[in-house]
Amino acid sequence: GAGVSQSPRYKVTKRGQDVALRCDPISGHVSLYWYRQALGQGPEFLTYFNYEAQQDKSGLPNDRFSAERPEGSISTLTIQRTEQRDSAMYRCASSFLMNTEAFFGQGTRLTVV
Amino acid sequence: AQSVTQLDSHVSVSEGTPVLLRCNYSSSYSPSLFWYVQHPNKGLQLLLKYTSAATLVKGINGFEAEFKKSETSFHLTKPSAHMSDAAEYFCVVTYYGGATNKLIFGTGTLLAVQP
Repeated sequence: GAGVSQSPRYKVTKRGQDVALRCDPISGHVSLYWYRQALGQGPEFLTYFNYEAQQDKSGLPNDRFSAERPEGSISTLTIQRTEQRDSAMYRCASSFLMNTEAFFGQGTRLTVV
Repeated sequence: AQSVTQLDSHVSVSEGTPVLLRCNYSSSYSPSLFWYVQHPNKGLQLLLKYTSAATLVKGINGFEAEFKKSETSFHLTKPSAHMSDAAEYFCVVTYYGGATNKLIFGTGTLLAVQP
């Protein structure tokens, strides 16, 4: 596609529910990143894929968070048993190769009530 | 380890006056440095990047930044502010020799431009 697309743009969920956030990177981009941005903070790294391989998941805060990119294109970030502290903007970025410019999507605003 | 410190959380300037957004970095390796801008309800957009070539880097919309190794700084400047420059700006560091190239963001500087 023309840019990185994330869906949904906004998600309100009840505490304890699972949520799945989707990222559709720019066509042909090999690298895909997930970031989380709390209010008033800069984005923080969550995880990184090269093609379908999850190369780094050191930023995932706990085992309720997981991500996949099964065919090396679209990626899904899943949060199980959501908690209020998970409320944040979740941003996806893609780049053609690992050492090239990262393009960001508009993000998914997650609110856990 | 790498980190960036944005020295001002808010900066307010008048339209037509210079802009200075300050950033200091810490990196164990030769860093790559970026400035990203975030307008309301928009994604993050790359303004400019430094990757060990020229130390004075020109970006989009008239912005520049100078890499100063001795001061570990990468301040963002613009000679004359425009109303459309009002946004949040993030200084970012990474190391391209690493396994991930994850971007490390500062906490952001909110730029207000007064008419």
